[in-house]
Amino acid sequence: AQSVTQLGSHVSVSEGALVLLRCNYSSSVPPYLFWYVQYPNQGLQLLLKYTTGATLVKGINGFEAEFKKSETSFHLTKPSAHMSDAAEYFCAVTSYSSNTGKLIFGQGTTLQVKP
Amino acid sequence: DAGVIQSPRHEVTEMGQEVTLRCKPISGHNSLFWYRQTMMRGLELLIYFNNNVPIDDSGMPEDRFSAKMPNASFSTLKIQPSEPRDSAVYFCASSSDLGAKNIQYFGAGTRLSVL
Repeated sequence: AQSVTQLGSHVSVSEGALVLLRCNYSSSVPPYLFWYVQYPNQGLQLLLKYTTGATLVKGINGFEAEFKKSETSFHLTKPSAHMSDAAEYFCAVTSYSSNTGKLIFGQGTTLQVKP
Repeated sequence: DAGVIQSPRHEVTEMGQEVTLRCKPISGHNSLFWYRQTMMRGLELLIYFNNNVPIDDSGMPEDRFSAKMPNASFSTLKIQPSEPRDSAVYFCASSSDLGAKNIQYFGAGTRLSVL
């Protein structure tokens, strides 16, 4: 069975500060990992994904995440927060062996950016 | 390109009434997913289809829920009779195929309130 834990349901940073959103996963097989973002009253959109290869993955809007197998983590970072980054962020996992693409989502982290 | 289109965006109904949510996937996509989002349970996968055929409906909460995909460009999720605990945001997502690497594209969701 697979699961995702996002540490911290709410994160608040100042504009220009580092953004760090934490995600830990559990999987008995090599995982594929995703970060999605949800802006108010919108659906989820993909920020980035890790499947195989390079463990540091770059996504849209300056976000990146690093897959660390030893720590079972896939934390999302951005060097400098912008007001437009305020949204809810979801980490999700599936497995390379999945022929369905069934995603297991974390509970989400709401990012607040203060001026 | 038009994304995944869901209708209605908001639905308010009374307990016991039938509710039908609609989804038009991205043209050319052959996999479709229905999710439910609540504060208590987060994002839950209800059912998914591949080539218009339901593959896994194990997430459907109970017999009051049913989903159909009569053709490649349309799907419905029906709740009959509706109950207040069904109040949630329902998302539809589509992808170009099943498989772990295929990105799911989400619609804007239908916010359902059952009074």
